Amino acid sequence: GESVGLHLPTLSVQEGDNSIINCAYSNSASDYFIWYKQESGKGPQFIIDIRSNMDKRQGQRVTVLLNKTVKHLSLQIAATQPGDSAVYFCAENPPGNTPLVFGKGTRLSVIA
Amino acid sequence: DAGITQSPRHKVTETGTPVTLRCHQTENHRYMYWYRQDPGHGLRLIHYSYGVKDTDKGEVSDGYSVSRSKTEDFLLTLESATSSQTSVYFCAINQGTSGRNEQFFGPGTRLTVL
Repeated sequence: GESVGLHLPTLSVQEGDNSIINCAYSNSASDYFIWYKQESGKGPQFIIDIRSNMDKRQGQRVTVLLNKTVKHLSLQIAATQPGDSAVYFCAENPPGNTPLVFGKGTRLSVIA
Repeated sequence: DAGITQSPRHKVTETGTPVTLRCHQTENHRYMYWYRQDPGHGLRLIHYSYGVKDTDKGEVSDGYSVSRSKTEDFLLTLESATSSQTSVYFCAINQGTSGRNEQFFGPGTRLTVL
């Protein structure tokens, strides 16, 4: 499959451990944020989103935390599995009718 | 997969030739986007469309043009391909509601310009 990012930061975790992937966003007026997962050779897949009026949102095995004070977003994956190995991107929605702005991504590598 | 297909999925072409990539959606979404993805750069927006015949430039639009004559199809054209346009191209649609700009992506087209 296509190499998504040869120069991406990489996070290696042991299977079963929790993973935390971080993202700094740029626009303090962004009102909506999304995390995407991209497996090798595939398009990005929506994982979870959060509005700016929230600071935490939970999904199945994933939690997104939003800290607007420092413009920071994190994705927590509980009990990481080999199938979680992928590149993870955050995206922010700037004000107005403008497209999403994507971060460069973090590669998560799960060690079995 | 939000009903998005891209064609072709792979293409090898030569410098100077025209290339058109097609994005097709089946769910009548208003917004469609073209991105390129390169190592070290992440996803970069080329052009997007907010309706039939309504398009706007993104971050890296030079060397690309788009057309949207029907809601379901968004075409990306490289008038004269260059080696710097070797990339993976993704189409996306906006499936968001209530102000959520929730984009869903197609499977991608790998383009190699020799």
